Amino acid sequence: TQLLEQSPQFLSIQEGENLTVYCNSSSVFSSLQWYRQEPGEGPVLLVTVVTGGEVKKLKRLTFQFGDARKDSSLHITAAQPGDTGLYLCAGLSGTYKYIFGTGTRLKVLA
Amino acid sequence: EAQVTQNPRYLITVTGKKLTVTCSQNMNHEYMSWYRQDPGLGLRQIYYSMNVEVTDKGDVPEGYKVSRKEKRNFPLILESPSPNQTSLYFCASSLFPNNQPQHFGDGTRLSIL
Repeated sequence: TQLLEQSPQFLSIQEGENLTVYCNSSSVFSSLQWYRQEPGEGPVLLVTVVTGGEVKKLKRLTFQFGDARKDSSLHITAAQPGDTGLYLCAGLSGTYKYIFGTGTRLKVLA
Repeated sequence: EAQVTQNPRYLITVTGKKLTVTCSQNMNHEYMSWYRQDPGLGLRQIYYSMNVEVTDKGDVPEGYKVSRKEKRNFPLILESPSPNQTSLYFCASSLFPNNQPQHFGDGTRLSIL
């Protein structure tokens, strides 16, 4: 079974701090997505990365796909309370099957 | 409004009583999927469907059935629910499976006593 391990599991930081969330696997993925989930709702897509080494930026969020397409990272600069939530990575295995990471629960304190 | 609708949102039932969780999308998406979310395990894919009448197993299909008779609907069936199927379930759809955002429903919290 393919696994995507996320670290850290939990993160509590002060507003204005930077943080990085990691998503690692021993398997290669066709593409990788990052989602954010709020309580009582389904996950919402933040970004999709497809090419090994690809870097995408979404305002204060920077996403990177590993060169070998086995890992990814999400870096948040100057975190704000609105960034609080559950962050999930999801790798596409082959053409149709998605493998989700275990999630990183982020809390940003004002 | 583009959306994925799941029903019911909450259900408490007993072991062995067949139940169906419905999922409907209004975006003409080809790909649909069911996940369960458990603490510490993230989301795990139960079944997915590439198009009408085409379905396949995800990572945790045991104890579940699905059907895709129409493009918009993808019900999840628990023929004989057991307590280990107590979980939060999400339906999702996307235009195609690769490189397209999955749109998720708001979830169904299922408790099997």
